[in-house]
Amino acid sequence: NAGVMQNPRHLVRRRGQEARLRCSPMKGHSHVYWYRQLPEEGLKFMVYLQKENIIDESGMPKERFSAEFPKEGPSILRIQQVVRGDSAAYFCASSPGTGSSYNSPLHFGNGTRLTVT
Amino acid sequence: GNSVTQMEGPVTLSEEAFLTINCTYTATGYPSLFWYVQYPGEGLQLLLKATKADDKGSNKGFEATYRKETTSFHLEKGSVQVSDSAVYFCALSDQAAGNKLTFGGGTRVLVKP
Repeated sequence: NAGVMQNPRHLVRRRGQEARLRCSPMKGHSHVYWYRQLPEEGLKFMVYLQKENIIDESGMPKERFSAEFPKEGPSILRIQQVVRGDSAAYFCASSPGTGSSYNSPLHFGNGTRLTVT
Repeated sequence: GNSVTQMEGPVTLSEEAFLTINCTYTATGYPSLFWYVQYPGEGLQLLLKATKADDKGSNKGFEATYRKETTSFHLEKGSVQVSDSAVYFCALSDQAAGNKLTFGGGTRVLVKP
């Protein structure tokens, strides 16, 4: 019974390159959330997606960042032209998204640690 | 908007000591409250939750009571073990925000043998 799967676990990019982070939600979950954790800080919400829809992107930087959750395949968080300040751990979480979903806990993956050199 | 404030760490304790991590919140609606734990190099795991006032969440010897009058959800454990060393996050979600979690800044706990 696989949980939320993220890959890669570690990603190193040079400044100016693109970073692609992948997230496969738990089986039966149709809602995906992306969070960013800067060193020694808490988690900051970035974006909330359902299949083929962005529901809330209020936490996404206006430039260089994008996210998608296609009908088939994992959710992708894409960072173009990375800068050193993008170095962080990026966590994906999923939920069933049915009923009183607001009190259903999110299930988190182990994260992708992005290092920009 | 919603916000969560928790005590800053690190908190260093000896094994079998009593642990308290304070958490207070601000929310526009009637939130659900959560504690998550993050072990080194891993993602967050749900530790416990409470969905309405006066509910007590408990798991693995940890407890937290949803106190609406003081807008608090303090985490406690009566006798910690070395394996409890981790970062603990308080979080809330409310219906207006869907299932989006708002996190506190995290409290690092180090338990020494």
